[in-house]
This record gives sequence, structure tokens and C-alpha cells, in this order.
Amino acid sequence: NAGVTQTPKFQVLKTGQSMTLQCAQDMNHNSMYWYRQDPGMGLRLIYYSASEGTTDKGEVPNGYNVSRLNKREFSLRLESAAPSQTSVYFCASSDILGSEKLFFGSGTQLSVL
Amino acid sequence: GESVGLHLPTLSVQEGDNSIINCAYSNSASDYFIWYKQESGKGPQFIIDIRSNMDKRQGQRVTVLLNKTVKHLSLQIAATQPGDSAVYFCAERSQGNLIFGKGTKLSVKP
Repeated sequence: NAGVTQTPKFQVLKTGQSMTLQCAQDMNHNSMYWYRQDPGMGLRLIYYSASEGTTDKGEVPNGYNVSRLNKREFSLRLESAAPSQTSVYFCASSDILGSEKLFFGSGTQLSVL
Repeated sequence: GESVGLHLPTLSVQEGDNSIINCAYSNSASDYFIWYKQESGKGPQFIIDIRSNMDKRQGQRVTVLLNKTVKHLSLQIAATQPGDSAVYFCAERSQGNLIFGKGTKLSVKP
């Protein structure tokens, strides 16, 4: 039972490079989310998708784009990485938007030099 | 503004003892309060939640207490085990959005 799968687990980028973080869930959940986790900051919502075909900005969307490719997959793209985007990124899903019970992936540790 | 915080950033307990992790919140309109556990190298995992119209909810070895008068939330872990070592986050749901606290690290001494 995989749950939420994120790739890659680790990534090092140079400033200005682009990359896409992949996320897939096998729980038939409608809603998916991208969070970033920084020391002393807790989890902050970047973007979310209430259902297939919709995406919305969260608390810290600047510098990111997302794509809800289908019901299973929700990707996060950094078009021009900056050192301020060094963080641990988590994808999560829930059966409905606003559910208090989120299922998280194991995270992607991203360093931007 | 809304905020969810923690009284203690770290907590060290002896194996077998009970643990109490505390959390303060500021939005009295939040309708759900939740605890997540994050083990090293993993994503957060849902532990237990409580609706705002409840004072106490029990799970397996865990109890969450909600004191709306002082806007305080706590997680009690009975007979703490080494596997309980993790960072614990409280979160509140306000207007459909989850707001996470900064976390408390629980260390269990054998």
C-alpha cells in the first residue's frame, strides 16, 4: 500500500535551474497539496488542488507552479530556483478539500546553491 | 492573525512514563484541532483529532484535551515507547484551511 509517493527524495540545484517534483497517490483522493517545511516555520501551504482540473494558491505560491495531471498526480515546478527555495517539500492528499486528515509523502529535500 | 504555537520545542521522557505535549492556538473559530507525528526522514502522520465542541478524545495510548477557555490543546501519550520519538505538530482547521504549529521534538530515554 504505497499511499503518497514523491520523487526525487533529494535534489541539489544551482540558482536559476528548473525542476519538477512529482507526486502520486493511490488512495483515490480528490484533493492534493504541496507544502514546504523550513526549520522553525512549520508546514506552509504552497499550492493545492481541490479536485482534478483545479489548482489554487496557498500561503506561499511565489516562484512555483503546479499541474494536476490527473486524479492521481500533482506536480510542483520551480521555473528558476532560488536559494530561498531550499527546503523540504511534502506532497499530501485527502479525500475532500479541507479534511483535517492529510496523508503525506516522505518528502523531497531540495538544496539550491 | 491566526497562529498555532507550542509551549516547549523539546521534551525528553523516560520510557514507560507518560508524555504531555502542549499547544496554544489563537483562533477561537477553528472547528478542528489535530495532532500529527513526524518521524525522522518521513512525512507527518495523522494521529488524532478533536472537534471544537469536544473537550477530550481518546485513541490508542493517546488522549487529546481541548481547553477552549484558554485556547490550549494537549496530546497525552501513555506509557511512552522508543517508537514514540518524533516531532509532534498540532494544527487547527480554520475556514477549511489547516494551520500547522512549529512542532515539539519528543525524545524517549531507554
